[in-house]
Amino acid sequence: NAGVTQTPKFRVLKTGQSMTLLCAQDMNHEYMYWYRQDPGMGLRLIHYSVGEGTTAKGEVPDGYNVSRLKKQNFLLGLESAAPSQTSVYFCASSYPTSGPSTDTQYFGPGTRLTVL
Amino acid sequence: GDSVTQMEGPVTLSEEAFLTINCTYTATGYPSLFWYVQYPGEGLQLLLKATKADDKGSNKGFEATYRKETTSFHLEKGSVQVSDSAVYFCALRSNGQNFVFGPGTRLSVLP
Repeated sequence: NAGVTQTPKFRVLKTGQSMTLLCAQDMNHEYMYWYRQDPGMGLRLIHYSVGEGTTAKGEVPDGYNVSRLKKQNFLLGLESAAPSQTSVYFCASSYPTSGPSTDTQYFGPGTRLTVL
Repeated sequence: GDSVTQMEGPVTLSEEAFLTINCTYTATGYPSLFWYVQYPGEGLQLLLKATKADDKGSNKGFEATYRKETTSFHLEKGSVQVSDSAVYFCALRSNGQNFVFGPGTRLSVLP
């Protein structure tokens, strides 16, 4: 049981390049989330998904796209990276389909992205 | 909208000192309240939670009580250790599935 995993752990991009961050969870969670963490600002929600095939915008969705083609995976895409997207990105999942812990988020280890 | 306010850090304490990190919230209805901890280089992990008024969450010597009358969920520990050095996030989950996090408070414990 690996929990929530993220790929890659580190990445450096040039302005205008594109990339996809992969999040995978093996806990059968319905809900998945992408956050960015910037100094002094805590975590801000980018996009989230309440189930396979669904996505929704969070607090700071501009410049990002997401897809949830499989229940266990949630992809975050940057089509044209900008320096303002330099951040640490965290994926999380929650709300298992059964069991007592339906109100807790489980986080991945993060991806540190630098856009030059 | 919902929001969480935490005391500004960083907080620096000596080992075995008493810790309080204040957290207050604004939310409609009756949210669940959480404290998450982030150790250096890692993701966030749940420290404790409370789902209704007057509930006390506790874990690893940390405690927090859900106070609806003061809309607060302050984190306390009687005797901190160097290994408690981390960033602590207060969070809430109101109706719907989105969590709202505070900005985090960095704690440094000196030996």
